[in-house]
Amino acid sequence: FVLTQPHSVSESPGKTVTISCTRSSGSIASNYVQWYQQRPGSAPTIVIYEDNQRSSGVPDRFSGSIDSSSNSASLTISGLKTEDEADYYCQSSDSSNGVFGGGTKLTVV
Amino acid sequence: EVQLVQSGTEVKKPGESLKISCKGSGYSFTSSWIGWVRQMPGKGLEWMGIVYPGDSDSRYSPSFQGQVTISADKSINTAYLQWSSLKASDTAMYYCARVIAKAIDHFYMDVWGKGTTVIVSS
Repeated sequence: FVLTQPHSVSESPGKTVTISCTRSSGSIASNYVQWYQQRPGSAPTIVIYEDNQRSSGVPDRFSGSIDSSSNSASLTISGLKTEDEADYYCQSSDSSNGVFGGGTKLTVV
Repeated sequence: EVQLVQSGTEVKKPGESLKISCKGSGYSFTSSWIGWVRQMPGKGLEWMGIVYPGDSDSRYSPSFQGQVTISADKSINTAYLQWSSLKASDTAMYYCARVIAKAIDHFYMDVWGKGTTVIVSS
């Protein structure tokens, strides 16, 4: 299966943004979804695991969810800060391996 | 502190072989999978495959099966990614990461190395 994300999103500081991740085949609920943040020039870090669990040290402005009706997962970031500007990737698994979405570039302006 | 330390930048010619490394510390290296991820210049993340250092079991994503070899040496807490004949299209950043595997179809990467740049050019 393929995970499809919007190429880019843009929002102002203090606002809320949601990034989607749509699964092409099979149920989004069948396998957990993770979200990773990658700032320019840095390695990725995990933000959300198992659909909605925040990784250690991640502020509660970040939240994850899944929606079976649209077969998609979402990452929501509230109270946007300029430091949130980064690429975000969703990831799920099939038998024995992982699958990444194409990534979404978040611009905070 | 869990750490993964990757080997340095490599500049190679097409057709040459290469083996890059990823040394783990701060956790039980033999009890967690290690994964490799490719990021081509200006592009997204691609899951290449994983290895379990405890018994050297390895799994490959279909796109990378037969193109690379993933291995591990548990005696020195080090995982490897190797190529037998590099191509220009192998130019990329390669990340290793600790993989949390809670089920046969549930994997995620919780700690990442800083990456190894591989440049293949004639």
